[in-house]
Amino acid sequence: AAGVIQSPRHLIKEKRETATLKCYPIPRHDTVYWYQQGPGQDPQFLISFYEKMQSDKGSIPDRFSAQQFSDYHSELNMSSLELGDSALYFCASSTGLAGPTGELFFGEGSRLTVL
Amino acid sequence: DQQVKQNSPSLSVQEGRISILNCDYTNSMFDYFLWYKKYPAEGPTFLISISSIKDKNEDGRFTVFLNKSAKHLSLHIVPSQPGDSAVYFCAAAQGGKLIFGQGTELSVKP
Repeated sequence: AAGVIQSPRHLIKEKRETATLKCYPIPRHDTVYWYQQGPGQDPQFLISFYEKMQSDKGSIPDRFSAQQFSDYHSELNMSSLELGDSALYFCASSTGLAGPTGELFFGEGSRLTVL
Repeated sequence: DQQVKQNSPSLSVQEGRISILNCDYTNSMFDYFLWYKKYPAEGPTFLISISSIKDKNEDGRFTVFLNKSAKHLSLHIVPSQPGDSAVYFCAAAQGGKLIFGQGTELSVKP
């Protein structure tokens, strides 16, 4: 069965550069969530989208933005990268806003390293 | 402020024995809890969940217990198998997002 696809899997950037992560949800899933997991940390919710509209916002820095497109894929744009942005970024998808009352399906993550 | 806490960063258990992973939460408004399992280089995968209207939910070798008065839940794995070795995250559902604990790394030794 198709899972959540994230790209790229690994990304290395310099400080102050820009990075874009992509997420392709499971077919027919209309809700996408972004999480950030720093080294030794728990996954922290960043932002979610339902039907291409932002549905919730967590601890996402102002330097970051995200959107969901008409095909339901989502992109997380990160600008003015800082060393502390180095983390594993997970995307998850679900059907509808009630996702967490069922379960979220996570991608394998995109590892961003900022040098 | 950590609303979901897993105070044991690691746990080592012998194969065939019971593994008990604990989780505490602070927000009494949480009404749905989930456990996720994560292998290295993979995303978290859903394991089992429980609604606050229940105190127990069982799925095969996995059972989750919820004690609302103590704001505590636990995941029991019986019998533990080496393939269960992974990081286990407890999470509370709040609106459209999950709030994760720090994770407990379970090691099941043959």
